[in-house]
Amino acid sequence: KQEVTQIPAALSVPEGENLVLNCSFTDSAIYNLQWFRQDPGKGLTSLLLIQSSQREQTSGRLNASLDKSSGRSTLYIAASQPGDSATYLCAAPGGSEKLVFGKGTKLTVNP
Amino acid sequence: NAGVTQTPKFQVLKTGQSMTLQCAQDMNHNSMYWYRQDPGMGLRLIYYSASEGTTDKGEVPNGYNVSRLNKREFSLRLESAAPSQTSVYFCASRRRASGGAADTQYFGPGTRLTVL
Repeated sequence: KQEVTQIPAALSVPEGENLVLNCSFTDSAIYNLQWFRQDPGKGLTSLLLIQSSQREQTSGRLNASLDKSSGRSTLYIAASQPGDSATYLCAAPGGSEKLVFGKGTKLTVNP
Repeated sequence: NAGVTQTPKFQVLKTGQSMTLQCAQDMNHNSMYWYRQDPGMGLRLIYYSASEGTTDKGEVPNGYNVSRLNKREFSLRLESAAPSQTSVYFCASRRRASGGAADTQYFGPGTRLTVL
């Protein structure tokens, strides 16, 4: 059974800092891994989807990497801004149609 | 293009009452999902539908029923609401990408349900 863990649960950084969010998963036989963002009181927005054939994906200041052999993914945020404050969730497949989500990392970027 | 829409946005029920949460997507996606999100528990899958006419249980299906009315709509019904069903409910949809590659899930804004 797939289990997804995110560390840390919360993170507070000053504006401009580079930061890394961590995600680990137990079943490495995955075909992709996704990172989502959730703002308070809102739904989830997809940030990056990494296929198993890829090692990383980039979108603007965001870079996500995937290491299936170690069961880990990281989300790197460069030059953080207050607008990046949100909860970040990673999700790994738990079956052909199912996604298993981590509990998220709540990020606060202080001006 | 509205994406995934959910109604209602907020609902308060008394124990034992029933209600249906509605979800619709206009992206011609094959798969649709219902999740609940609770503090400290994360997002958990209730039911999903891989295609029109099919539904399957997720991680926490007890106390819920679903209907895939057509390709666009996927409803979630609480027959006899209980306080343990107080939660935020999210609907999502996903396209089946060509070549076997998976596509991302698109989420609705959520329904905040309180059962007293």
